[in-house]
Amino acid sequence: GAGVSQSPSNKVTEKGKDVELRCDPISGHTALYWYRQSLGQGLEFLIYFQGNSAPDKSGLPSDRFSAERTGGSVSTLTIQRTQQEDSAVYLCASSIRQGAHTEAFFGQGTRLTVV
Amino acid sequence: GNSVTQMEGPVTLSEEAFLTINCTYTATGYPSLFWYVQYPGEGLQLLLKATKADDKGSNKGFEATYRKETTSFHLEKGSVQVSDSAVYFCALSSGSARQLTFGSGTQLTVLP
Repeated sequence: GAGVSQSPSNKVTEKGKDVELRCDPISGHTALYWYRQSLGQGLEFLIYFQGNSAPDKSGLPSDRFSAERTGGSVSTLTIQRTQQEDSAVYLCASSIRQGAHTEAFFGQGTRLTVV
Repeated sequence: GNSVTQMEGPVTLSEEAFLTINCTYTATGYPSLFWYVQYPGEGLQLLLKATKADDKGSNKGFEATYRKETTSFHLEKGSVQVSDSAVYFCALSSGSARQLTFGSGTQLTVLP
């Protein structure tokens, strides 16, 4: 597609339920990132995928969070047993390669509300 | 580790006013510096970037100069428009880290 696509755009879930958030990166982009933007906060790095390398999971806040990237393209972020503090906008970004100078393109995000 | 500190908002200006949003950073190595903008209801977009000391990034009338001696990357625009109302994020990426490190964002509102 023309840009990074995320779905759903909005998700309301009950506390304790599992949710899956999807990201379709720009075709040909080998690097994919997940960030979290909480109300009044900056962007918090969650996880990073680069090609077929093992992902960098250093930003995941707890073991309830996991992510996978199938076939080097689509990624799914899963949050198990959701808590109210998980409410945030989850942003996905992709870039053509990993590197300090490389521009990352962001999706519009998934707004998650845990009630 | 890497960190970015930017001016807290919100900032409210009248149309055609001068804008400065301060950004300072701490980083290992020689980072690249970015300004991203998030317009209402839209995703983050790259506004401008600079990859080495003394570089000036510019786009849509906005400018920022990479100052290594003061570890700063302040965003400026000489004459803001209502359409510039958005949240602005300063960010950096260094060779030792794969992800962007963001500041907390500055909400800008421009009044007609």
